[in-house]
Formats: sequence, C-alpha cells, structure tokens
Amino acid sequence: KAGVTQTPRYLIKTRGQQVTLSCSPISGHRSVSWYQQTPGQGLQFLFEYFSETQRNKGNFPGRFSGRQFSNSRSEMNVSTLELGDSALYLCASSPGAGSETQYFGPGTRLLVL
Amino acid sequence: GESVGLHLPTLSVQEGDNSIINCAYSNSASDYFIWYKQESGKGPQFIIDIRSNMDKRQGQRVTVLLNKTVKHLSLQIAATQPGDSAVYFCAEKTGANNLFFGTGTRLTVIP
Repeated sequence: KAGVTQTPRYLIKTRGQQVTLSCSPISGHRSVSWYQQTPGQGLQFLFEYFSETQRNKGNFPGRFSGRQFSNSRSEMNVSTLELGDSALYLCASSPGAGSETQYFGPGTRLLVL
Repeated sequence: GESVGLHLPTLSVQEGDNSIINCAYSNSASDYFIWYKQESGKGPQFIIDIRSNMDKRQGQRVTVLLNKTVKHLSLQIAATQPGDSAVYFCAEKTGANNLFFGTGTRLTVIP
C-alpha cells in the first residue's frame, strides 16, 4: 500500500504571496491532519479533516486554511506569507476521525524570502 | 493547558548500548501516548504506542514505559544501532482531541 504523499516537496515563495500544498493519504484513510514543524519546535497541529469537514483546528491565524476532497485528498493554503511561515509542513493520515496512530508523509519544505 | 516536553534535547550513545529517551507530560487526562522517529529529510515514523491503562509495552528492540504517577514516559532502545540515529518525538492524546507533540530529542549513535 502506498504511503502518504505530499507535493511539492520543496517550495520557495516571497512574503505576501500565497501557497497551496497537497496531500494524498494512504488508500482507505479518511482523516488527514496537517502539522507545521520549525527548527527547535515540535510538531504544531494545524487542523484535521475528516469526510471533507474540518474536525479540529490548532492555534494558527486565519491565513492558514485547508480543505478535503471527496477522495480524501487534502490541500492546505497559506495566504499573505510571512517569513515566519518558513517550515516543514507535514501531512498525516489515519483511518478514521480522531484516530490515534497517524502516518506521516515526507513533508513539504517551504521557504519564505 | 497540555504540554509535552523532553528532559534532554540531545543524547549520544555508543553503538550496542541501550538508549533511554525521556518525556514529561502535564495532562493527567491524557489516555494515549505514542513515540515517533524522524530521520533527516523524512516525515515522522511510528515506533510504538501505549494506552494509559498500561505501564509497559514492548516492541522489537523498543520498550515504552509509562509512569502516570509522575506523568513520565520513556522510550528504551536496546542494542542501539547507527540506524537509530534520529530525532525522537513523544506525543500525547486526550480523548478525541488531536495529538500534542514534544519538541524532540536528537539521538546520535557513536560507532
């Protein structure tokens, strides 16, 4: 079974731009969670989607948004990028909502200049 | 609020020795704990998990210990190998809430 895939793997943007990241979960998994990982920090939870609905949301500004499609693929969008948004964005999938074990993708490394 | 922290940010061990990575948590209501391993350039990889109704769980070369009295979690790796070099994260979960991750411990295995 293929693992979680994320595209693109690397991205360079400038301040003020917006970006969209994509995540394809493991086949059959219906829950997708997004995390931001920065140097010196742990993984910070952004949001979780299940059945095309946002189920949980972390403490991030409204510039961070996401959505999930009927095939469980998910996208996250960051608008008006700031330097501090430079990070590794990780997507994790799990079989159901609030599932405990999450399976992570390789991440998208975003650099904001 | 919840907090998951690590006692040591870095740990160096000799190849073949046992490694112990520690983690503290503050939410006594947390009922599920999990350890992840993250190698450079990769996403976190599941290692082992434990529920709050247990105090020990063993996997292949790894053991997780949970001490609910002092809210402490540890990961023991037996016969540490160079391939074990990575950052290790603990995470806790409370009910249907999302996972909260610690900042990680970097394990370096010295050949």
